[in-house]
Amino acid sequence: EAGVTQFPSHSVIEKGQTVTLRCDPISGHDNLYWYRRVMGKEIKFLLHFVKESKQDESGMPNNRFLAERTGGTYSTLKVQPAELEDSGVYFCASSRYAGQMNTEAFFGQGTRLTVV
Amino acid sequence: DAKTTQPTSMDCAEGRAANLPCNHSTISGNEYVYWYRQIHSQGPQYIIHGLKNNETNEMASLIITEDRKSSTLILPHATLRDTAVYYCIVRVGHYSSNTGKLIFGQGTTLQVKP
Repeated sequence: EAGVTQFPSHSVIEKGQTVTLRCDPISGHDNLYWYRRVMGKEIKFLLHFVKESKQDESGMPNNRFLAERTGGTYSTLKVQPAELEDSGVYFCASSRYAGQMNTEAFFGQGTRLTVV
Repeated sequence: DAKTTQPTSMDCAEGRAANLPCNHSTISGNEYVYWYRQIHSQGPQYIIHGLKNNETNEMASLIITEDRKSSTLILPHATLRDTAVYYCIVRVGHYSSNTGKLIFGQGTTLQVKP
């Protein structure tokens, strides 16, 4: 079984440009989460999808960030326009069943975003 | 804010058991204790979780006190590859709200030494 896959692994963009990160969860997992770690800080929750619906987007920093999960499969996280403080590592995670608290979440390897 | 307290760092000799403590004095009755680790800059890796009973899997054992206010992750025979940051997390959310997001703290940096 393939794990959570994220693309690209690294991205370097200029301030003001747009970047789109992609996450492919484990097949059949209803829940999909986005997290990020900025330099020197803790890993922070961004948002949570249950299938194609946004369940919790309380961690999204501002309206420059847009996440989608069309069809309830893969998800994209777009940053437009990117700012210097957006640099960091963006992680995606998925877990199987919606509504169950005792299922573990599996993480991807992350996308390292550098805004210059 | 994270609902757990962990030591900042610990050392362990290779081949010995590593015991990583965690305090979660405000844990609610329906909240689980999860442990993850992050090796270098890889994605967090799930280790184990539990509600109130002790748990064991191929990676580790989880000992939860009877009052559930603290727990200990045990790596029975630590290897150099176990060097990582270990996170103790109380799982946020409940069935009806269906969130289950993880709130990471600073974690414990475990250094396994030869």
